[in-house]
Amino acid sequence: DAGVIQSPRHEVTEMGQEVTLRCKPISGHDYLFWYRQTMMRGLELLIYFNNNVPIDDSGMPEDRFSAKMPNASFSTLKIQPSEPRDSAVYFCASSSQGPGNTIYFGEGSWLTVV
Amino acid sequence: DAKTTQPPSMDCAEGRAANLPCNHSTISGNEYVYWYRQIHSQGPQYIIHGLKNNETNEMASLIITEDRKSSTLILPHATLRDTAVYYCIVRDVDNYGQNFVFGPGTRLSVLP
Repeated sequence: DAGVIQSPRHEVTEMGQEVTLRCKPISGHDYLFWYRQTMMRGLELLIYFNNNVPIDDSGMPEDRFSAKMPNASFSTLKIQPSEPRDSAVYFCASSSQGPGNTIYFGEGSWLTVV
Repeated sequence: DAKTTQPPSMDCAEGRAANLPCNHSTISGNEYVYWYRQIHSQGPQYIIHGLKNNETNEMASLIITEDRKSSTLILPHATLRDTAVYYCIVRDVDNYGQNFVFGPGTRLSVLP
């Protein structure tokens, strides 16, 4: 299996621009997670989906952030408009359902907003 | 909130066993103990998990105390490539998406 695939790996954008991060979960996984990592706050869960439906978005920082999962093999995290404080590494992860299931992470998207 | 406590950092000599402790004194009967690690600039990597019994795989061993209030991750022969931040997480088996919370972890430095 190719694992969780994220794109872009690195993005530098100007403040105010729209940013779209993409994720392809592991085939057959029912759950998809978006995390954000910064030096100050560590690894934070932003939102997760089950069977393409958002279950908990309480970690999404504000209305500028939105996430969608139009089908089982694709999800996006969008920031509009972007701000310098959004600079972070954004990780997508997926897992199957079942006791003791394991979450597998992608390699992350490194976002810099200048 | 993370329900685990780990030392912020540890050193280990290359070739020796690295023993990373984790305290989870409020763990409930439904919660698994998971270990992940994150090597600089990479995504977190799954290592091992367990419920009650000790577990071993090709990467590491997990020792869980009988009362389940603490555990130890053992890397039997640490190499320089094991230098990473190690996260101990407790997770409710019945809430698949919830409570998978990462704390600050332990920064392990393997020294030559």
